[in-house]
Amino acid sequence: DSGVTQTPKHLITATGQRVTLRCSPRSGDLSVYWYQQSLDQGLQFLIQYYNGEERAKGNILERFSAQQFPDLHSELNLSSLELGDSALYFCASSPRLAGTQETQYFGPGTRLLVL
Amino acid sequence: GENVEQHPSTLSVQEGDSAVIKCTYSDSASNYFPWYKQELGKGPQLIIDIRSNVGEKKDQRIAVTLNKTAKHFSLHITETQPEDSAVYFCAASPSSFGGYQKVTFGTGTKLQVIP
Repeated sequence: DSGVTQTPKHLITATGQRVTLRCSPRSGDLSVYWYQQSLDQGLQFLIQYYNGEERAKGNILERFSAQQFPDLHSELNLSSLELGDSALYFCASSPRLAGTQETQYFGPGTRLLVL
Repeated sequence: GENVEQHPSTLSVQEGDSAVIKCTYSDSASNYFPWYKQELGKGPQLIIDIRSNVGEKKDQRIAVTLNKTAKHFSLHITETQPEDSAVYFCAASPSSFGGYQKVTFGTGTKLQVIP
């Protein structure tokens, strides 16, 4: 158990809908990362937040947005869903000590199926 | 930006044999190279990492080697066991600045250990 929690575990929805995925980082971790993992694909970095602020953007679609709240949990919002958005969505966290590279601790993921 | 290539995409070995997974990276600024193991239905977990000031690191049956000149690094698993069966991801990351750490992942290697 990494200490990172994600809810829900599974989500089935229809095209055009909007969903929110939730992540709670490890206790004390300030940085949260979101990744998308499609079938037979590697991990695609979406976005990073550090202590409530957006720090980096990867291959995140405009239909997707995220935020990190004062209690450090994060939410990833996916809107106008398309079939191709079906994937595993992972959240990871790290302590974010300045000037060092840190291990990212991954949650168990949310499996999204868009029908 | 960084590009990480990983080979092979699938690997089958007999129990007790060794397994080797290779990665190359493009950005000479990358100096941190973690390896993650992802078991079915779970999030990736760090199994070993290496920094650019070290050429080799070992942890029991797992070792990682780094050749900075050639920009490649490898994961070696000796005396493989069925529980080693999983998808393995390599990754590369440059030094972090101002709370931003970009990690680029390889596309993954599905390792099957045959009893």
